[in-house]
Amino acid sequence: EAGVVQSPRYKIIEKKQPVAFWCNPISGHNTLYWYLQNLGQGPELLIRYENEEAVDDSQLPKDRFSAERLKGVDSTLKIQPAELGDSAVYLCASSPGGANKNIQYFGAGTRLSVL
Amino acid sequence: AQTVTQSQPEMSVQEAETVTLSCTYDTSENNYYLFWYKQPPSRQMILVIRQEAYKQQNATENRFSVNFQKAAKSFSLKISDSQLGDTAMYFCAPEPSIIQGAQKLVFGQGTRLTINP
Repeated sequence: EAGVVQSPRYKIIEKKQPVAFWCNPISGHNTLYWYLQNLGQGPELLIRYENEEAVDDSQLPKDRFSAERLKGVDSTLKIQPAELGDSAVYLCASSPGGANKNIQYFGAGTRLSVL
Repeated sequence: AQTVTQSQPEMSVQEAETVTLSCTYDTSENNYYLFWYKQPPSRQMILVIRQEAYKQQNATENRFSVNFQKAAKSFSLKISDSQLGDTAMYFCAPEPSIIQGAQKLVFGQGTRLTINP
């Protein structure tokens, strides 16, 4: 079974430029999460989707960050414009339904460097 | 509010030794799940072990076990017969009750564990 796939693995951009990250969750997983992870710290939730609906986006900086999951499968996280402080690893995770709905499966992440 | 404290930023042990990683948390919930996740240097986070708060029996997965003290809000991870592949960041994560539909996972700051040959 394929895991959560994220691309790109690395991205280097200049400040004020836009950037987008893509995530393909495990097949059949209805719940999808985007996290931000700063160096040496734990992940912080940005947004959670149940199918195509964003059910928790309270931590998403909506002035510059946006996300979508149009068909309830893969998802895109966008930053426009990027700032120096956005340099971090962006993790995507997905969860199945049923008894294991609270277990999250993580992708390898996208490491963003803003210069 | 829900906070998670991992008081050991770094730990280092010899291969085959036993090591315990501590975690305390603060939650107003009564029913919840607790997780330990491992993040090796490749950065892919994987689940190590899961504990349900209403179960008194501590969870065990092969060499990994937990010591769950609900009243003390403590959830430590014990790794027995440690192996080089156990080298990673370990994150403790309690979870709010899913009854309210919340699946926000609040991670601790992590403990960097190094297993030395």
